[in-house]
Amino acid sequence: GEDVEQSLFLSVREGDSSVINCTYTDSSSTYLYWYKQEPGAGLQLLTYIFSNMDMKQDQRLTVLLNKKDKHLSLRIADTQTGDSAIYFCAPRRKAAGNKLTFGGGTRVLVKP
Amino acid sequence: KAGVTQTPRYLIKTRGQQVTLSCSPISGHRSVSWYQQTPGQGLQFLFEYFSETQRNKGNFPGRFSGRQFSNSRSEMNVSTLELGDSALYLCASTARGQGGTDTQYFGPGTRLTVL
Repeated sequence: GEDVEQSLFLSVREGDSSVINCTYTDSSSTYLYWYKQEPGAGLQLLTYIFSNMDMKQDQRLTVLLNKKDKHLSLRIADTQTGDSAIYFCAPRRKAAGNKLTFGGGTRVLVKP
Repeated sequence: KAGVTQTPRYLIKTRGQQVTLSCSPISGHRSVSWYQQTPGQGLQFLFEYFSETQRNKGNFPGRFSGRQFSNSRSEMNVSTLELGDSALYLCASTARGQGGTDTQYFGPGTRLTVL
């Protein structure tokens, strides 16, 4: 099955950029999602990228995809205290229907 | 549109009991997926229902079951509760986005505590 790895923790100063990394094993992953989870809440969809894309920008968010290395990253520009949360990457194979395989999540702490 | 709603938000049960959780998807969405989130195992897929039929299933014991009604609302049931079933149970409803991708929108979850 699919394995998805993320670093556990990231600390960043307010106003700096954050980069959250994710590696996955299944090369047939066709859609790759980023979700955000705040304490006590469900998952909020941030953005996603198709496997035929290298990059996608959405306001402060930039997703980079390296299919050869099966590496996905999420860059948050001008990080704010409200960005403190856990971030999950979730690749999805078209053949797996709507089943998402999540990484363990990266806890981002934004310091003022 | 209203988002995904889950009831109840919090639940406390004792070992051996059974529990039923409910999920109402976003209006017009026909697919509902369930996930279990625990500190040790992270987020794990339980099952997916589409048009009242189970379409996909994760690696959970038969004590975990679900169903979907004609209005797309879904319920999941856990029988003979164990301490390890304590978790946040998340429901996701699926829309069809650009290029055919099925984007999943999550509810706030039901926090189940088994004593």
